[in-house]
Amino acid sequence: TQLLEQSPQFLSIQEGENLTVYCNSSSVFSSLQWYRQEPGEGPVLLVTVVTGGEVKKLKRLTFQFGDARKDSSLHITAAQPGDTGLYLCAGVVYGWGKLQFGAGTQVVVTP
Amino acid sequence: ETGVTQTPRHLVMGMTNKKSLKCEQHLGHNAMYWYKQSAKKPLELMFVYSLEERVENNSVPSRFSPECPNSSHLFLHLHTLQPEDSALYLCASSRGTGGLLAKNIQYFGAGTRLSVL
Repeated sequence: TQLLEQSPQFLSIQEGENLTVYCNSSSVFSSLQWYRQEPGEGPVLLVTVVTGGEVKKLKRLTFQFGDARKDSSLHITAAQPGDTGLYLCAGVVYGWGKLQFGAGTQVVVTP
Repeated sequence: ETGVTQTPRHLVMGMTNKKSLKCEQHLGHNAMYWYKQSAKKPLELMFVYSLEERVENNSVPSRFSPECPNSSHLFLHLHTLQPEDSALYLCASSRGTGGLLAKNIQYFGAGTRLSVL
C-alpha cells in the first residue's frame, strides 16, 4: 500500500490568514488530486497535478506537485470562512488508476 | 450536484437487520466504487466495478455484498453488521479504470451515514 501522510491533521485560523497543508509519501504517483469535503457532503475535486514541479492556481488556492512526484502542498492565501472543510489529497497509483487517499486535514476559518 | 446520487442519506440499523445502500450516476461513466470513510482515517476502497464486473474487493467482510446491475447503478447490501461498521459510505464513479489512466478523476456522492446499534 502506498501511504499518503497529510499534515497537519487540524488547522484553525482567523479570516485573512494564510495556511499550508502538506501531503507526503515515499511512493511515486502518476498524478495527485486535491479534494475538499464539507459536512454532509462527499469529496469534491479541486485540482489534479500531473507533472513533477507543477504549480496550479485556483483563485486564492495554490497547489504544487513535488519534483519527484511523491509529495504535494496546498496553500491558501487570505483564508475565508467559506474555505472551511476537510481537505483530502489522493495519489493516482501507476498502472491501475486507483486512488490512494490521505487521512485529510480539517481546516476551520473563523470570521 | 456531482451527478452521483446516494440513498438513503442516513441509516440506523440493528446488528440483525438487512438493509441496502443505493448509488446512481448520471455521468455516463463505466466504473463505480464503494468507499468507507471513518473519522481521522483515509478513505478505504471497498469495491470497484468496471463495466458491471467487479474488478477489486479489498478484503471486505462478507457481511457487505455489492451488486452492480448496470453501469449506472450500484448497491451495497448489508447484513449482520457490527458497531465498528458505523461510518460514512461513499459511492463514486469515473470514466474507467486501469491502463494508463494518469488522472482517474472520480466523482463522489454525498454518502450514506450509517449507524449500527
